[in-house]
Order: sequence, then C-alpha cells, then structure tokens
Amino acid sequence: KAGVTQTPRYLIKTRGQQVTLSCSPISGHRSVSWYQQTPGQGLQFLFEYFSETQRNKGNFPGRFSGRQFSNSRSEMNVSTLELGDSALYLCASSFQGIEQYFGPGTRLTVT
Amino acid sequence: SQQGEEDPQALSIQEGENATMNCSYKTSINNLQWYRQNSGRGLVHLILIRSNEREKHSGRLRVTLDTSKKSSSLLITASRAADTASYFCATEEVGGQNFVFGPGTRLSVLP
Repeated sequence: KAGVTQTPRYLIKTRGQQVTLSCSPISGHRSVSWYQQTPGQGLQFLFEYFSETQRNKGNFPGRFSGRQFSNSRSEMNVSTLELGDSALYLCASSFQGIEQYFGPGTRLTVT
Repeated sequence: SQQGEEDPQALSIQEGENATMNCSYKTSINNLQWYRQNSGRGLVHLILIRSNEREKHSGRLRVTLDTSKKSSSLLITASRAADTASYFCATEEVGGQNFVFGPGTRLSVLP
C-alpha cells in the first residue's frame, strides 16, 4: 500500500497570508489527524477527522481549520499566518484510530 | 503540561550497546505507543502496549509498562547506527480523545 502523502513538502509564506496543506491517507484509512511539531512545543495535536467529520480538536486558535473529503483526503488551512506558525505539520492516518501512520510532513516557514 | 515525558532528553551510545528510554505520564491510559522519527521526517510507529499488558517485544525492541508507576520503558538491543533518531512515547488517556506525545529522546548511535 502507498503510504501517507503530504503536499507540498516545503512552503514559505509571509505573515498575514493563509496556507492550505493537503494530506492523502493510506487507502482504506478513514481517520486523519494533524499535528504541529516545533522545537519548543514538540508534537501538538491539531484535530482529527473521521468520515468527513471533525471528531477531536486540540487547543489551537480558530485560525487553524481543516476538512476531510469523501475520499478521506484531508486539508488543513491556517489563516492570517504568524511567525510562530512556522513548524513541521504532520498528518497521520489510521484504520481503527489507534496505530497511526504518519506522512513525511510539510515544513512551513513564515517570514 | 504534556502527558508523556521521555527521559533522558538525549542519549549517545556506541553501536552494539543497548539503549533504554523511559516515558512517564500523569493520568490513566488505554494504551501507550512508541514512535521513531528520523531527522525532520514523519514518525514511524514502533510498538503499542495496552494498559493490561506489562511487556511486549518486537524484533530488537522491548517495551515495558508499569501502570502503578505510570511509566514505560523502551529498550533497543544491539543498537545500530541506523537507530539514530528521536523516539517519542504517545499516550491515549482513558476518556481522552486524542494521543498526547512526549518531547522525545534523541538517540545517537555512534559507529
């Protein structure tokens, strides 16, 4: 099976802009979770989608949003980017919501 | 504060030696997982141990779980240079809705 793919792999944006990241889960996986990883805060849970519905949400401001499509692909959007949003954004898919398979991540740099 | 806390933060050993990493957590859990992350990449699932299990093995990996002490350890035997990576524990709290990752242990295996 193909693994989790994330696009783009690298992104440079300016403060105030918005960005959309994409994640394609492993075929058959209906759960997609998003994480933000920074040196200071480590891995932090953003949200989880299951069958097009947001099932769980982490403690992030409303500027961070996501959605999941009928084919389980997911996107996350960050509006009004801040310097502190620079991070590695990881997507993980899961069949039963326990063992997660991570994508390679999208490295976002906000200048 | 984070649910899981790995110890030590960094570990440097010679090839062939064993590496032990510890994870402590604060609340009751359903399961605990260990993941590996190579520099700046996605995480790879290593092993899952459920709250009613005390020990699990997978190849050169041995995980123990002590729910009375709220701690887990990951032992990598006969380490190789390719084991150089960051290792994270992730806990699923009882009644919780998502996984909480610790800050990780950076393992360096020197040839």
